[in-house]
Amino acid sequence: EDKVVQSPLSLVVHEGDTVTLNCSYEVTNFRSLLWYKQEKKAPTFLFMLTSSGIEKKSGRLSSILDKKELSSILNITATQTGDSAIYLCAAYNTDKLIFGTGTRLQVFP
Amino acid sequence: NAGVMQNPRHLVRRRGQEARLRCSPMKGHSHVYWYRQLPEEGLKFMVYLQKENIIDESGMPKERFSAEFPKEGPSILRIQQVVRGDSAAYFCASSPPGGNYGYTFGSGTRLTVV
Repeated sequence: EDKVVQSPLSLVVHEGDTVTLNCSYEVTNFRSLLWYKQEKKAPTFLFMLTSSGIEKKSGRLSSILDKKELSSILNITATQTGDSAIYLCAAYNTDKLIFGTGTRLQVFP
Repeated sequence: NAGVMQNPRHLVRRRGQEARLRCSPMKGHSHVYWYRQLPEEGLKFMVYLQKENIIDESGMPKERFSAEFPKEGPSILRIQQVVRGDSAAYFCASSPPGGNYGYTFGSGTRLTVV
């Protein structure tokens, strides 16, 4: 059965800290890996990773895919309270996204 | 260009009633996906539809749940004879023709069964 596992489940940090969120996947017909941020409502798209070893960056967020290890990490540097959210990792196979349970990040001032 | 529109935002139903959740995809998008999110859990795939076709319903419960995406109008997720365990947030996403990975999610419908 296809599955995506995220760790840690929950993370509590202070503003300014750097965090690393982990995602591993076992998915048949893997195409790409996506990261989303979910606050109160709909998940919002962060990154899509298709090629191994190529880092994608957006401001303080960056992510990389390791196809050999079937994993990805999401880094957030200099965290802010506005980064508090659930971060979801999803693997795309032939026709759908398979989500992990998410990492809940709480950033305190 | 409106995003993915879901309605209602909140829906309360008594056990045994029917729930109908609507999703209008983004303009130009012809692929619709429904996901369910239970409290403290990730999004679980339910069904993938194109206009007038169900492509993959491997995540749909075998009974009481059905989905459609007619030629005209929104996609509908229908839950008959709701039970307390159906209480969840139901998210719809759409993507362009070709079904690429560019999912856009709606804001979801939060169903509460009392």
